[in-house]
Amino acid sequence: QVQLVQSGAEVEKPGASVKVSCKASGYTFTGYYMHWVRQAPGQGLEWMGWIKPNSGDTNYAQKFQGRVTLTRDTSIRTAYMELSSLISDDTAIYYCARGEETEYFYHWGQGTLVTVSS
Amino acid sequence: DIQMTQSPSSLSASVGDRVTITCRASQGISNYLAWYQQKPGKVPKLLIYAASTLQSGVPSRFSGSGSGTDFTLTISSLQPEDVATYYCQKYYSAPLTFGGGTKVEIK
Repeated sequence: QVQLVQSGAEVEKPGASVKVSCKASGYTFTGYYMHWVRQAPGQGLEWMGWIKPNSGDTNYAQKFQGRVTLTRDTSIRTAYMELSSLISDDTAIYYCARGEETEYFYHWGQGTLVTVSS
Repeated sequence: DIQMTQSPSSLSASVGDRVTITCRASQGISNYLAWYQQKPGKVPKLLIYAASTLQSGVPSRFSGSGSGTDFTLTISSLQPEDVATYYCQKYYSAPLTFGGGTKVEIK
């Protein structure tokens, strides 16, 4: 069965960077886009971008351009989301989600809480 | 960028009521519209994709309709386990945008 297992919670100081991983299993990792979505406390869902694992091509939401970097390591079927220049508003749960067919999301990671606090 | 506007932002209804949530796109998106259910502390769950296709395993009391710019999620008979926040999402072409969410509660 398809599984997306994310790394554990992180606490970072303002101005720092954080890197969250998402390890995929149960399917051909290079066959599906991987998306990242975040959710601030009590807020809605916010799409951050996608990576195409077979090529490394990326597409970022304009809001995060210049601060987010999506990468992947196909040898270990793992996608990464790195967010830099953290501010308190970046405190959120970060999810990876596999894009289906036309990029809706059926399979999600369990979420990673990133807390930005001095 | 295409904006997705959901209404209402919250609603309270009785068990057995018919509940309707709307989602409007600022430009036409054909039928590239999904609906998700998120219960507190849980990961979002896909209910419907392609505007009206019910994901396998989702109860048949959920249905979706619409095309172009106006979409609807309907719960035909609200159940206690349906208490959640519901999100629409425009997909296929980036940026993939979510609506602001509709919180559904039991009266």
